[in-house]
Amino acid sequence: SQTIHQWPATLVQPVGSPLSLECTVEGTSNPNLYWYRQAAGRGLQLLFYSVGIGQISSEVPQNLSASRPQDRQFILSSKKLLLSDSGFYLCAWSATTFNTEAFFGQGTRLTVV
Amino acid sequence: SQKIEQNSEALNIQEGKTATLTCNYTNYSPAYLQWYRQDPGRGPVFLLLIRENEKEKRKERLKVTFDTTLKQSLFHITASQPTDSATYLCALVPSGGSYIPTFGRGTSLIVHP
Repeated sequence: SQTIHQWPATLVQPVGSPLSLECTVEGTSNPNLYWYRQAAGRGLQLLFYSVGIGQISSEVPQNLSASRPQDRQFILSSKKLLLSDSGFYLCAWSATTFNTEAFFGQGTRLTVV
Repeated sequence: SQKIEQNSEALNIQEGKTATLTCNYTNYSPAYLQWYRQDPGRGPVFLLLIRENEKEKRKERLKVTFDTTLKQSLFHITASQPTDSATYLCALVPSGGSYIPTFGRGTSLIVHP
């Protein structure tokens, strides 16, 4: 069966520090991969998605970046965090076929102080 | 611009009653629509998917309707239980392209014993 792992679960980082969140998927190949951010009381905002290795599309311009070095690995990074980067970050995957749902990781609660 | 609207106010109901949640959208032509459940501090979990050519879908105590003329989906939970308390998100997936879901903000459901 397919599983998705996302870590860490919580993270407190000072302003200006770098960020690296990692997500891996098991039990499937060539998935679509997504990074979403959810601010308190807000919906899921799509940050990045990837349809293949090295293929990253950005939905929102900001100081975050994403990379997909391997088929089932998706990384969210920042060189210098801002206070406004605080939020709940969610990695997800879906099959590249029609009529498919998204599967989410447990999420990372990031607090920038 | 594309917009997905879910009632931002929490829905409070008594145990045993039917909960009905609404998802409205504008400037969107979805191929299908999904409903997810999200518990506090967790990632969303997929519940149901309904295609544009389907009027209704059922799964156990859950029922989803989809009216592409009204641009609206209704999500029903019959015989609600306190354990149904959570935030429910609708997501639209466009026809063609990469099948990337766009999420509404979600509606909080509170079922009182």
